[in-house]
Amino acid sequence: QKEVEQDPGPLSVPEGAIVSLNCTYSNSAFQYFMWYRQYSRKGPELLMYTYSSGNKEDGRFTAQVDKSSKYISLFIRDSQPSDSATYLCAMSANAGGTSYGKLTFGQGTILTVHP
Amino acid sequence: GAGVSQSPRYKVAKRGQDVALRCDPISGHVSLFWYQQALGQGPEFLTYFQNEAQLDKSGLPSDRFFAERPEGSVSTLKIQRTQQEDSAVYLCASSLPGGDGYTFGSGTRLTVV
Repeated sequence: QKEVEQDPGPLSVPEGAIVSLNCTYSNSAFQYFMWYRQYSRKGPELLMYTYSSGNKEDGRFTAQVDKSSKYISLFIRDSQPSDSATYLCAMSANAGGTSYGKLTFGQGTILTVHP
Repeated sequence: GAGVSQSPRYKVAKRGQDVALRCDPISGHVSLFWYQQALGQGPEFLTYFQNEAQLDKSGLPSDRFFAERPEGSVSTLKIQRTQQEDSAVYLCASSLPGGDGYTFGSGTRLTVV
C-alpha cells in the first residue's frame, strides 16, 4: 500500500461547479501538506501549502487538512476550463534547514472542466 | 533566471546508452531535488542536494543513477546503461531552505528504445 493514496479519476465537471479533490495518507509523521497543479508536459506548480491541521483559503481554492483522519482535501469554487489539469497532493515530514525535502506525492487526479 | 530550467526537454536513448540531464535552479536556491515521474503517476523522490552536498540519495533506483552538483548551482543527473524502465519524466525542483514548497522545472522526458 502506498503512503499517499489519491483517486486518479478522471473527474469531469461543468464550468462553475465546485470540485473536491482528496488524498489519504498513512504516515503520521507528515506535517506539511501541499497541492500542486500540473498541466500537460509541464512541471508541477504549487497551489497551496499548509502546515498541520486546519483550513487555508486562497481565492477560489481552499485546502483542508484533518490529521486525525489522515485526510486532506482541495476545493475549487467556480471552476473554469483553465483549471483542467492534473492535481497532485504532496506531503512531507519535515521543513526547514537540512531536513526539508523528500515530498511524497499522490498519483494525481485528472480534472476536466468543460464549458 | 526566473524559473528552474531543464535540458534537454526530450531525450531518446537507445538501450544501453548513457545520458546526462541538466538542471539550472533558481538563482540563490540552495536546495535542489530530482524526482522521477512515470506516466500516469505522481513524482517520486530521487535525490536531494543542499548546495554542493548530496544529503539524501535514498531514492536513486540503482547504481546506474548518479547525480552531482559540484559548485552548488547547476546539477546533472546521469543514467548509465539506460534500460526501458528508465523511461519517465525527470523533474528538477529548487527551494530556499525552509521555503514554502518547491519550484519545479518542466522536466526532461526520457524515452529508452
